[in-house]
Amino acid sequence: EPEVTQTPSHQVTQMGQEVILRCVPISNHLYFYWYRQILGQKVEFLVSFYNNEISEKSEIFDDQFSVERPDGSNFTLKIRSTKLEDSAMYFCASSEARASGGELFFGEGSRLTVL
Amino acid sequence: GQNIDQPTEMTATEGAIVQINCTYQTSGFNGLFWYQQHAGEAPTFLSYNVLDGLEEKGRFSSFLSRSKGYSYLLLKELQMKDSASYLCVGTGGYNKLIFGAGTRLAVHP
Repeated sequence: EPEVTQTPSHQVTQMGQEVILRCVPISNHLYFYWYRQILGQKVEFLVSFYNNEISEKSEIFDDQFSVERPDGSNFTLKIRSTKLEDSAMYFCASSEARASGGELFFGEGSRLTVL
Repeated sequence: GQNIDQPTEMTATEGAIVQINCTYQTSGFNGLFWYQQHAGEAPTFLSYNVLDGLEEKGRFSSFLSRSKGYSYLLLKELQMKDSASYLCVGTGGYNKLIFGAGTRLAVHP
């Protein structure tokens, strides 16, 4: 069964460092997303991406964050100058249709720990 | 604004039926979802309602009333593996989901 894959599964970094989280969405999906979940809290929307551009982003997704689809398979989230409060599980997801119209398939997540 | 309310925790007995309620206020409503999340894992899709009424899918059913801003997830013939968080999820825009805090269900023998 096709699945969304994410790397790394866990990353520890020092405050102020840059981090890149990588995702390979399901191959025939057109919509891509990043969500995050701080330990013990709800899943929060960060950004959605379609047709090689951001379609929506949340207030969390400020200038510190960026996304890119560098080739036909990868979808990355870059966090510049990480802060302690960026520590969370980051989930990549993809879908065939827009998020409001059907199922999102989530990857297993990348746990980011900022020290 | 965007607001989704659901109970924090519920407990139930193996083999029983449990109903998890959710009330929501989201702008630009385009449907309501239920996702399951086991501890430390990714959310997985359970159901999607865009019209009023009941959608049945095996042991799980989901109901929606758009006029009341209300949904529930019904789980029948509970199994131990159903112990998880159940997330009520609204649509906050064209391409954005708004997750509730989740209801942590504990199924006991």
